[in-house]
Amino acid sequence: SQQGEEDPQALSIQEGENATMNCSYKTSINNLQWYRQNSGRGLVHLILIRSNEREKHSGRLRVTLDTSKKSSSLLITASRAADTASYFCATDTGNQFYFGTGTSLTVIP
Amino acid sequence: EAQVTQNPRYLITVTGKKLTVTCSQNMNHEYMSWYRQDPGLGLRQIYYSMNVEVTDKGDVPEGYKVSRKEKRNFPLILESPSPNQTSLYFCASQPYRGLGTEAFFGQGTRLTVV
Repeated sequence: SQQGEEDPQALSIQEGENATMNCSYKTSINNLQWYRQNSGRGLVHLILIRSNEREKHSGRLRVTLDTSKKSSSLLITASRAADTASYFCATDTGNQFYFGTGTSLTVIP
Repeated sequence: EAQVTQNPRYLITVTGKKLTVTCSQNMNHEYMSWYRQDPGLGLRQIYYSMNVEVTDKGDVPEGYKVSRKEKRNFPLILESPSPNQTSLYFCASQPYRGLGTEAFFGQGTRLTVV
């Protein structure tokens, strides 16, 4: 399966700290996206990085992509309690979208 | 407001009783898809549709049917639900495929089959 794997599965940090989560995938991709899911709700798009990009920023988010290692990382800086959620990477192969298993982030006030 | 609407949000049914989960988007998106989400397995794609009258199987299509008669609607049909189809289901749409566009998700349908 193309499905990505996020690491760690769960992460607990103090408010103000940075949170880093990683995603590995198996085959070639067109782009990779990160999504956020609040408990049991629909996923919300955070950021998209194309296969020819290495790094992208959006507000407190920083995403990197290493296509040679088939991996990506999402960094959330200066975390807030409201960042508590599950985060998923999604790889776009052109026809299909494959989601990873997610990282559950808890930010403690 | 641009949105993907799923109904119902919660559904409890019995084994073998046919059901349909509706999905509608108001963004004129070409691509629509259905996912199921299970603990420890993430989201897995059930079916997707590149455009009207064009549907294809995802990773876990067994036990499901879909149709795409109109651009805005993409219902998910369970002809004979079984307990292993108890899950959280999401519909999603994207403007088009191939160049990388974000997916817009519905709020989910929590299905329990007893």
